Amino acid sequence: GNSVTQMEGPVTLSEEAFLTINCTYTATGYPSLFWYVQYPGEGLQLLLKATKADDKGSNKGFEATYRKETTSFHLEKGSVQVSDSAVYFCALNGNNRLAFGKGNQVVVIP
Amino acid sequence: GAGVSQSPSNKVTEKGKDVELRCDPISGHTALYWYRQSLGQGLEFLIYFQGNSAPDKSGLPSDRFSAERTGGSVSTLTIQRTQQEDSAVYLCASSASGTSLGPSYNEQFFGPGTRLTVL
Repeated sequence: GNSVTQMEGPVTLSEEAFLTINCTYTATGYPSLFWYVQYPGEGLQLLLKATKADDKGSNKGFEATYRKETTSFHLEKGSVQVSDSAVYFCALNGNNRLAFGKGNQVVVIP
Repeated sequence: GAGVSQSPSNKVTEKGKDVELRCDPISGHTALYWYRQSLGQGLEFLIYFQGNSAPDKSGLPSDRFSAERTGGSVSTLTIQRTQQEDSAVYLCASSASGTSLGPSYNEQFFGPGTRLTVL
């Protein structure tokens, strides 16, 4: 079945640092890939998406490229801000549902 | 316009009681989804509705869980004889269509969730 794997553990970094969160997937067919973000006390929001291989999704300075050859969709941001502190979930669609990774809590320290 | 709303926002119940959770999707959205977010399991799919029918109930964890959707709009998720392991945040999402393959995917919009605590 479809599954998404995110790197283990929270991520703590200083303001203006470079952020990478790894995401790999297993899927049948050609799913679309997503990053969702959950800010403290808020609901899940779509951050960015890519619908086919080599597509790059981008939003709010975040980017992720759909890599079919490595089955990956790593999230990157060049210079994080305190306001980026949140939980980030990688997901893919298939079989009438989203399959999510476990999520990574990102804490940005001033 | 209004987003997906859920009620109640918090529910505390005693083990063995039944609970009902409500979801109001975005107006006009034909597809509706329930997910559960818990510390140990992450985000899990529960059930998918297209209109009033539920073609995919495969994520419901036991026969204590059921859901219905009426008028192609509001949905209720019912948990009978609640257990402590049912404690979680229950999330509802809706999308304009249930089509989930290829570039015509319709984004799922999530509600704020209902936090269920079973004592």
